[in-house]
Amino acid sequence: DAKTTQPTSMDCAEGRAANLPCNHSTISGNEYVYWYRQIHSQGPQYIIHGLKNNETNEMASLIITEDRKSSTLILPHATLRDTAVYYCIVRFPYNQGGKLIFGQGTELSVKP
Amino acid sequence: KAGVTQTPRYLIKTRGQQVTLSCSPISGHRSVSWYQQTPGQGLQFLFEYFSETQRNKGNFPGRFSGRQFSNSRSEMNVSTLELGDSALYLCASSLGDRGHEQYFGPGTRLTVT
Repeated sequence: DAKTTQPTSMDCAEGRAANLPCNHSTISGNEYVYWYRQIHSQGPQYIIHGLKNNETNEMASLIITEDRKSSTLILPHATLRDTAVYYCIVRFPYNQGGKLIFGQGTELSVKP
Repeated sequence: KAGVTQTPRYLIKTRGQQVTLSCSPISGHRSVSWYQQTPGQGLQFLFEYFSETQRNKGNFPGRFSGRQFSNSRSEMNVSTLELGDSALYLCASSLGDRGHEQYFGPGTRLTVT
């Protein structure tokens, strides 16, 4: 699995967009980018994943650069409940089965 | 649809004892993965079971074991508990074939004294 690099912590004002960067310069052609988040003392929650194209769902948008060496998770209108640790993970979807390698993640603090 | 459930939620054990944790996946999910979370090491993959077979294994000693039943429910066992085994143990389920999304349970908080 490719290694990911994320900032340790970030702040965001409530109601503004939160942009969380992730560097994965060693990603291979068939690896997907996944984002999960973990709110204090709860199990991680799946947010979004993508391969090459930008993706959007009801929770967030995922922007992947053309060379796929980095990506950005965007929470369009951050709320206090979005305060959590956000994990960027790169892995193969098929032959890796259910194995997720979590890094240290980015601790996002949404402030009023 | 009910989420992933884990029992018990909290557990206190003594060094040297053994413990069994249980996980019931989302209905229809065939893959169950286990993770250990500690403040020092973060979230670490333990193992994954798919259709009653261990499909992936992390870098943990043999004291950590697991199994999956025909109804996809899974148990993990830790024998000869050590103080360092104190952690939040998380179970996640997925459909398994593609493994795109894993849904995590609330975890079992194990304290070893």
